[in-house]
Amino acid sequence: NAGVTQTPKFQVLKTGQSMTLQCAQDMNHNSMYWYRQDPGMGLRLIYYSASEGTTDKGEVPNGYNVSRLNKREFSLRLESAAPSQTSVYFCASSLNYNEQFFGPGTRLTVL
Amino acid sequence: GENVEQHPSTLSVQEGDSAVIKCTYSDSASNYFPWYKQELGKGPQLIIDIRSNVGEKKDQRIAVTLNKTAKHFSLHITETQPEDSAVYFCAPNSGGSNYKLTFGKGTLLTVNP
Repeated sequence: NAGVTQTPKFQVLKTGQSMTLQCAQDMNHNSMYWYRQDPGMGLRLIYYSASEGTTDKGEVPNGYNVSRLNKREFSLRLESAAPSQTSVYFCASSLNYNEQFFGPGTRLTVL
Repeated sequence: GENVEQHPSTLSVQEGDSAVIKCTYSDSASNYFPWYKQELGKGPQLIIDIRSNVGEKKDQRIAVTLNKTAKHFSLHITETQPEDSAVYFCAPNSGGSNYKLTFGKGTLLTVNP
């Protein structure tokens, strides 16, 4: 099993550009999550999907949209990137009751 | 929302010593208390967790203790090894949710050989 995979690993955008971060898991997990990690800030939840067909806002959803494409895939979209969105983005998944498995991360720089 | 604080923010120990990291939280509805380890350039990985009906849990050199009354839980690592060097995060769940974890800001542990 590959676990949780994320693409791309690195990305540089100009202010105002759009992009989609992809996440997939092969563990048949019900729930999926998107976090961002900034220096000294820990991880902050952007959006989550408790089950296929549902999505909910987390702590810092502004400037992002998500799509739960199917049980395996959960994508994060930046419609108009801003320098404040420079961060490392992590996708995670869980089967039941909190234990979350994380992907390797996407390092995004917005100039 | 949940307010989570970790102490210390950095910790340096000699190989073989013990390390203790403390996490305080504010939400009395929290009932799940995990610790994650993040190595450089990787995603966080769960190393141990505890639920509110248990006061302590051990897994080899790692243990977690919970004091629900005082709203804090701690990570204990004994006989530390260089490979324990990493950033450790506590992440209690918010409002008893099955989904929302609130991460602390992390503790950088350095184990000196």
